[in-house]
Amino acid sequence: SSELTQDPAVSVALGQTVRITCQGDNLRNYNANWYQQKPGQAPVVVIYGKNNRPSEIPDRFSGSSSGNTASLTITGAQAEDEADYYCNCNSRDTSVNPVIFGGGTKLTVL
Amino acid sequence: EVQLVESGGGLVQPGESLRLSCVVSGFNLSSYWMHWVRQASGKGLVWVSRFNNDGGSSRYADSVKGRFTISRDNAKNTLFLQMRSLTAEDTAVYYCVRDRPYGANSGYFDNWGQGTLVTVSS
Repeated sequence: SSELTQDPAVSVALGQTVRITCQGDNLRNYNANWYQQKPGQAPVVVIYGKNNRPSEIPDRFSGSSSGNTASLTITGAQAEDEADYYCNCNSRDTSVNPVIFGGGTKLTVL
Repeated sequence: EVQLVESGGGLVQPGESLRLSCVVSGFNLSSYWMHWVRQASGKGLVWVSRFNNDGGSSRYADSVKGRFTISRDNAKNTLFLQMRSLTAEDTAVYYCVRDRPYGANSGYFDNWGQGTLVTVSS
């Protein structure tokens, strides 16, 4: 299967830890990237290559993976983390489906 | 500062054509793979097309193959998306996106434009 599956919605209490997951066969061969999108804005990468964080992204964001599942963890969620999160596989080889996005997870910070 | 600025969106009727442009600054377009990604209102991100900088090859999502053409003018630092035979299902915000490589065969989208809205309706 060339799909990435995410839970549609997840909630977390302010200051607590939340894990957002992404499942798909592509994750056995390619690392996941994670993007945050707030209403009316373009997406922003928060994690790439399983667990690399751009310098401007807070260190409370981290990534991991095992088998066909990738995870984005926010340790100590803040109000400003409320957003949609998308996982993505982006292969630069001759894959049939070079770029795939998950359906997105809406994170609510309570 | 890296910037990507899309234009060319608008309201068109089913079956018509439209060409989107993305003017980039702060980097050389010829040095990067570039993509178009779209998002219908209230829906998720959907990959549309990719233009490689190694030989100029391109790839397309099945939903647009044969109707959309991606191209670029390196001298003008501009990426294009020619869209033909548009249907209501093509209605979306279209983002121009820069691809940054990592590892042996992967990349991630490190810079996004603000998007341009395409509406296909009679």
